[in-house]
Amino acid sequence: KAGVTQTPRYLIKTRGQQVTLSCSPISGHRSVSWYQQTPGQGLQFLFEYFSETQRNKGNFPGRFSGRQFSNSRSEMNVSTLELGDSALYLCASSLAGEPDTQYFGPGTRLTVL
Amino acid sequence: DAKTTQPNSMESNEEEPVHLPCNHSTISGTDYIHWYRQLPSQGPEYVIHGLTSNVNNRMASLAIAEDRKSSTLILHRATLRDAAVYYCILRAPNAGGTSYGKLTFGQGTILTVHP
Repeated sequence: KAGVTQTPRYLIKTRGQQVTLSCSPISGHRSVSWYQQTPGQGLQFLFEYFSETQRNKGNFPGRFSGRQFSNSRSEMNVSTLELGDSALYLCASSLAGEPDTQYFGPGTRLTVL
Repeated sequence: DAKTTQPNSMESNEEEPVHLPCNHSTISGTDYIHWYRQLPSQGPEYVIHGLTSNVNNRMASLAIAEDRKSSTLILHRATLRDAAVYYCILRAPNAGGTSYGKLTFGQGTILTVHP
């Protein structure tokens, strides 16, 4: 079974731009969670989607948003990028999200200049 | 989520056993204990989880104290590939709401394995 895939793997943007990251979960997994990882803050939960609905959200500003499609693929969007948004963005999929084992993708490394 | 405490770092020699401790004195009766690890330049990967009894799988063993206030992840024979950050995480089943799809990662334990 193919693992979680994330595209693109690397991205460079400038301040003020917006970015969209994509995540394809493991086949059959309906829950997708997103995390931000930085050296200073570690791994922090952004949000979780299940059956196209956001069920849970972390403590991030409204510039961070996401969505999930009917095939469970998910995207996250960050608008008006700031330097502090430079991070590794990870998505994880699980069968139902509660409290299943999560399977992580390799991440997208975002650099904001 | 209940809090976990892990040592910042540990070292081991290749082919020796490694015992990674985790303290979780405020654990509730229904919290599961999960372990994940993150190898360099990769996303975290699931290692093992348990509730009360000790658990074994092909990657590791999980020893849970009788009072459940601590647990130990055991790597029976460390290899260089086991060098990673190991995270001990508590998860409440069917808690709903702010628990959906959320793993709360602490700083973890950086494991260094020497050849």
